[in-house]
Amino acid sequence: EDQVTQSPEALRLQEGESSSLNCSYTVSGLRGLFWYRQDPGKGPEFLFTLYSAGEEKEKERLKATLTKKESFLHITAPKPEDSATYLCAVQGLRSGGYQKVTFGTGTKLQVIP
Amino acid sequence: DSGVTQTPKHLITATGQRVTLRCSPRSGDLSVYWYQQSLDQGLQFLIQYYNGEERAKGNILERFSAQQFPDLHSELNLSSLELGDSALYFCASSVASGLGPNGYTFGSGTRLTVV
Repeated sequence: EDQVTQSPEALRLQEGESSSLNCSYTVSGLRGLFWYRQDPGKGPEFLFTLYSAGEEKEKERLKATLTKKESFLHITAPKPEDSATYLCAVQGLRSGGYQKVTFGTGTKLQVIP
Repeated sequence: DSGVTQTPKHLITATGQRVTLRCSPRSGDLSVYWYQQSLDQGLQFLIQYYNGEERAKGNILERFSAQQFPDLHSELNLSSLELGDSALYFCASSVASGLGPNGYTFGSGTRLTVV
């Protein structure tokens, strides 16, 4: 069964203090790994898709990387507006016509001014 | 605004009752997905429809059902509600079946409280 584990569960940073969020996964044939941002009471907002080990994607202060077992979301010089829960999801092999997607429980990031 | 519209935003109902959650996908998207998000669990996949047909089922209870109409909007019906059904219910949509390079587009959710 596909599994996604995110760590830490919660992270508190000072503004400008860079850090990384981890997403460890086991999946039968990775078709894609996805990062989402979720603000309280709102739906997840798509950030990145990574397909193969070694791939990297960047957007503003965020950079996502992928290895064969895990993905990191690096946050450089975060600002208070980066505070949110960050979700990781993996898409595995097609099964019965459906490409199963498994979400992690997220890392809740708080950036203090 | 993501383009995926969910109504109502909040719903409070009593145990044993039945409710219907509605979702209008983003324009041009044919797939609709329903997810449940509880405090202690991540997003749990319930069911997917593609162009009016059921495509995949996840951890959906027999008390729950869904359908997608010809205009592509979808409804999730929850019956014989229990306290444990209290959660955020999200609808997501995509052009094709499965996660493409831009992922799913999620709505803002319906918060269901069963009392």
